[in-house]
Amino acid sequence: DVVMTQSPLSLPVTLGQPASISCKSSQSLLHGDGNTYLNWYQQRPGQSPRRLIYKVSDRDSGVPDRFSGSGSGTDFTLDISRVEAGDIGVYYCMQGTHWPYSFGPGTKLEIK
Amino acid sequence: QVQLVESGGGVVQPERSLRLSCAGSGFSFTSYHIHWVRQAPGKGLEWVALIWSDGSRIHYVDSVKGRFTISRDNSKNTVYLEINSLRVEDTAVYYCARDFRGSLDHWGQGILVTVSS
Repeated sequence: DVVMTQSPLSLPVTLGQPASISCKSSQSLLHGDGNTYLNWYQQRPGQSPRRLIYKVSDRDSGVPDRFSGSGSGTDFTLDISRVEAGDIGVYYCMQGTHWPYSFGPGTKLEIK
Repeated sequence: QVQLVESGGGVVQPERSLRLSCAGSGFSFTSYHIHWVRQAPGKGLEWVALIWSDGSRIHYVDSVKGRFTISRDNSKNTVYLEINSLRVEDTAVYYCARDFRGSLDHWGQGILVTVSS
């Protein structure tokens, strides 16, 4: 099974400053169809997960362009250009290339 | 709009059984695979099970094989998760989510299952 790791696990940030979360997979996430099925989810306190990014860098409708995804193969990054108060929560990466799908442990974004 | 609504949770004693339901609306239910994902209190997300759109294929995480059964009734736009021999470590919020091309694009609000004597 594919193991997903994230760093850091806790990320204190100052409002208005950038933030970056790393996600690594134990195998390449490049699918035979040419796509890389790496997703990012945001889970605000008390809420269900919400998809932000799919296929590494495609943003979901309604997601601010402050959020961007990048990477390839086994190394991926979620960047937030300017953190706002509403961004607080836990961020998970998830791979959908290999069965079973698997999640990273989560990165808790909190205000300094 | 796409909606997934879980039901059937609650407080259950160890070794008992429970059936969770996930009702979908606002989309062509029969065209989509559906997953169950759980989250123990204060912990991360754990993928649990998947059923294909037509029910022809099913997958489980190793830790629940033999105790969990996923099924669907496309005439009712509903997916089920039957959990047998409940353990304290099954205590979690259970989410159902829709699969779209290697991604879980819509999630339900979740349902809490508490296993306690």
